[in-house]
Amino acid sequence: AQSVTQPDIHITVSEGASLELRCNYSYGATPYLFWYVQSPGQGLQLLLKYFSGDTLVQGIKGFEAEFKRSQSSFNLRKPSVHWSDAAEYFCAVGARDDYKLSFGAGTTVTVRA
Amino acid sequence: DAGVIQSPRHEVTEMGQEVTLRCKPISGHDYLFWYRQTMMRGLELLIYFNNNVPIDDSGMPEDRFSAKMPNASFSTLKIQPSEPRDSAVYFCASSLIIAEQYFGPGTRLTVT
Repeated sequence: AQSVTQPDIHITVSEGASLELRCNYSYGATPYLFWYVQSPGQGLQLLLKYFSGDTLVQGIKGFEAEFKRSQSSFNLRKPSVHWSDAAEYFCAVGARDDYKLSFGAGTTVTVRA
Repeated sequence: DAGVIQSPRHEVTEMGQEVTLRCKPISGHDYLFWYRQTMMRGLELLIYFNNNVPIDDSGMPEDRFSAKMPNASFSTLKIQPSEPRDSAVYFCASSLIIAEQYFGPGTRLTVT
C-alpha cells in the first residue's frame, strides 16, 4: 500500500519570500501524485497533479511541484508567497490501478507581513 | 459546474441522536468518496462508491456508520446512534479521472 510523509507540520514564511513544502511517498511503482490546499473552514482544492511525463508540473495560484523518482519526493514550491497562501497543504499519492488516495498529515503555512 | 455539494454545512446534535449527512457529486463523476477529518487522525477515507455501488467500506469505523448512494447524484452518510467521538469534519469527494478527486466544502459535525 502507498503512504505519504510530510516532514514539516508547520512553516512560517514572510510575504514575498519563496516557499517549499516537502513530500515523500512510499510506493512500489510510479504513483499518481497530488497537492491539495485547504483554507480554514473550506474543503480541499486540487493545486496540481503528476501522472506521467514532464517531472516539473505547474498548478494553479503560481505553484509548481517536481517529481523526483530517485528521492521518492514530490515537493511543492512557490517563488513568491502572498498572504492568501496561508492555509494547510496536503500531499497525496494514488496507485495507477486504484481510485483511492493516501494523504499526508498536512503542512500548515503561516504568512507573516 | 457547482462542484460537490454537501449539506448541512454544520450540524450540532446530542449523543444518541441519528445524524444524516448529504452529498451531491459533480455531474458525470462516477466515483464518490466519504472522508472524515480530525486533528488526531487527519484525513481518513471511510467508504467509496463506483457507479452507485460501494467498493470499499473498510474505513467505516463501526456498525453505527452506514452510507448509501441511491442514484448517481446523491449519497448519504448516516450515524446512528451518534457519539461525541464522532465529532469531526466529514468531506465528500467525487472523481471521474482515476485518483483525481474533487472535494466538497465539508460538514462540521459536533456531538454533545
